Amino acid sequence: DIQMTQSPSSLSASVGDRVTITCRASQSMSTYLNWYQHKPGKAPKLLIYDASTLQNGVPSRFSGSGSGTDFTLTINNLQPEDFASYYCQQSYSTRYSFGQGTNLEIK
Amino acid sequence: QVQLVESGGGVVQPGRSLRLSCVASGFTFSSYAMHWVRQAPGKGLEWVAVISYDGNKKYQADSVKGRFTISRDNSKNTLYLQMNSLRPEDTALYYCARSVVVPASYGLDVWGQGTTVSVCS
Repeated sequence: DIQMTQSPSSLSASVGDRVTITCRASQSMSTYLNWYQHKPGKAPKLLIYDASTLQNGVPSRFSGSGSGTDFTLTINNLQPEDFASYYCQQSYSTRYSFGQGTNLEIK
Repeated sequence: QVQLVESGGGVVQPGRSLRLSCVASGFTFSSYAMHWVRQAPGKGLEWVAVISYDGNKKYQADSVKGRFTISRDNSKNTLYLQMNSLRPEDTALYYCARSVVVPASYGLDVWGQGTTVSVCS
């Protein structure tokens, strides 16, 4: 199985900041990497698929990059609604797996 | 509109069984692979199982293999998760979600609101 290691586990930032979250896979998986945003009491929301493709309706301040084993999610100009948990997920194997998550908090 | 609605959660004793359902609407259910994902209290998302669009291929996480069975009825637009031999560590909010195919460079683009399972004596 592919193990996903996400960092940091928590992050404090201010409105207007730029933040970066990283995700590392235990084996190479091309660009089969997705990013989700999850808020308490809500369903997770797909932000980015195929490592760098923005899902319809997601603001352009979100971006993703990487291939192989190392991936990043960047959020530019943080907005109040961006404070949430973020997860990477691999879809390279038939048994998908998530990273441990990053809790983005307001500083 | 495109929607997934889970049901069937509840409180159950360890060792007992429960069946979750997820009813789809607003899209061609039989064209999509379907997943179950769970989140235990205070923990992150955990992928549980997936079934292909036609029901012929199924895969599960090691943590539930041999105890949980995923299935679907395309005539009823419904996904199921049969959970047997439940353990306290299965306590979680269970989501169903869809994807185009598995594996693929696409993510899970539609999710339900979840149904809660509590396993305790």
